[in-house]
Amino acid sequence: DTGVSQDPRHKITKRGQNVTFRCDPISEHNRLYWYRQTLGQGPEFLTYFQNEAQLEKSRLLSDRFSAERPKGSFSTLEIQRTEQGDSAMYLCASSFDRFTDTQYFGPGTRLTVL
Amino acid sequence: GESVGLHLPTLSVQEGDNSIINCAYSNSASDYFIWYKQESGKGPQFIIDIRSNMDKRQGQRVTVLLNKTVKHLSLQIAATQPGDSAVYFCAENRVFGNEKLTFGTGTRLTIIP
Repeated sequence: DTGVSQDPRHKITKRGQNVTFRCDPISEHNRLYWYRQTLGQGPEFLTYFQNEAQLEKSRLLSDRFSAERPKGSFSTLEIQRTEQGDSAMYLCASSFDRFTDTQYFGPGTRLTVL
Repeated sequence: GESVGLHLPTLSVQEGDNSIINCAYSNSASDYFIWYKQESGKGPQFIIDIRSNMDKRQGQRVTVLLNKTVKHLSLQIAATQPGDSAVYFCAENRVFGNEKLTFGTGTRLTIIP
């Protein structure tokens, strides 16, 4: 499968714990995006990378959230001290580096904070 | 504020009929529009896109129409099949520094056998 992959697909954690998600983009894609989707809503942008550089962060990305893409390939999204409001689907997408290049999404990681 | 919105949250269509899903956007600076299909438990799947210099674009069984005058976008699905049942999102992207997609709430399309 040469699409975007995400791991894990599901994560259940207790409030206050830290969690880390991984995204592997399509191999030729320079850009990698993270979105969050809550039930019944469209995805909301969190942050994106051009190669290893994080170029934009949404106001949704509080200081408990951190994302990295150290070698310009896979990316990780860490949430520290999780809260129940963090429960959502976390989606990763990748694309080439023109604004009209299609963003292809992975299957998402569903996070449930108890 | 700026938003991409959908007129109808749900739509039911008889199998074999055509369906039309509508979307309104508020920012006249939007340059690029995309339709995504999302099935339960999966990530959004690209269907078709259109640039602001076009009015219409066709794919396999799908057509996207863009009316910049009234800032309206529609997705037409011909000869609907049970596999078309999903939530459909329109999304917009803008040129010059704004790389993120802005999604609407979505329309749930149900195909009735």
